Amino acid sequence: EPEVTQTPSHQVTQMGQEVILRCVPISNHLYFYWYRQILGQKVEFLVSFYNNEISEKSEIFDDQFSVERPDGSNFTLKIRSTKLEDSAMYFCASSGTGGRSTDTQYFGPGTRLTVL
Amino acid sequence: RKEVEQDPGPFNVPEGATVAFNCTYSNSASQSFFWYRQDCRKEPKLLMSVYSSGNEDGRFTAQLNRASQYISLLIRDSKLSDSATYLCVVNTRASGSARQLTFGSGTQLTVLP
Repeated sequence: EPEVTQTPSHQVTQMGQEVILRCVPISNHLYFYWYRQILGQKVEFLVSFYNNEISEKSEIFDDQFSVERPDGSNFTLKIRSTKLEDSAMYFCASSGTGGRSTDTQYFGPGTRLTVL
Repeated sequence: RKEVEQDPGPFNVPEGATVAFNCTYSNSASQSFFWYRQDCRKEPKLLMSVYSSGNEDGRFTAQLNRASQYISLLIRDSKLSDSATYLCVVNTRASGSARQLTFGSGTQLTVLP
């Protein structure tokens, strides 16, 4: 069964450093998403991406965040200057095209980001 | 008012029990509804979509009441492996075709031997 993959599984960084989180969505999906979950809290939407541009972003997704699809398979989330409060699990998700398949999002295993 | 509200639990039930989870959502423009399960420190995994007519998948039954903005999940004959956090999730159309998922805080279920 196809699945979303993410690397690394755990990233530790110093405050102020840049991090790039990587995702490989399901191969025939065209919609891509990033979510985050701070420990003990609910999953929160960050950004959606379609046709090489951002479709929607939340208030969390400020100028410190950016997304990119650098090639035909990878989807990345960059945090330019990490803050302590960026420590969270970051989930990538993807969904298909057409009707209900666009609605159903499948999640990767996540990258645990720890900012020291 | 929270966008998606769930009873946090925890629900502790014996194996074989029937357990029901409820959820309410505030955005009447919401279009798609799901139950995901999340094991500790893992990703949300789709359990089932929820349709207006109600739908069943084995031991799991989901119901949607659009008028009341209410979603439910019923688990029959619960198994130890059902122990997880159950997330009520609502999908609201954003601009164009992209949609964002809004998650509830989850209801924790522990099935006891």
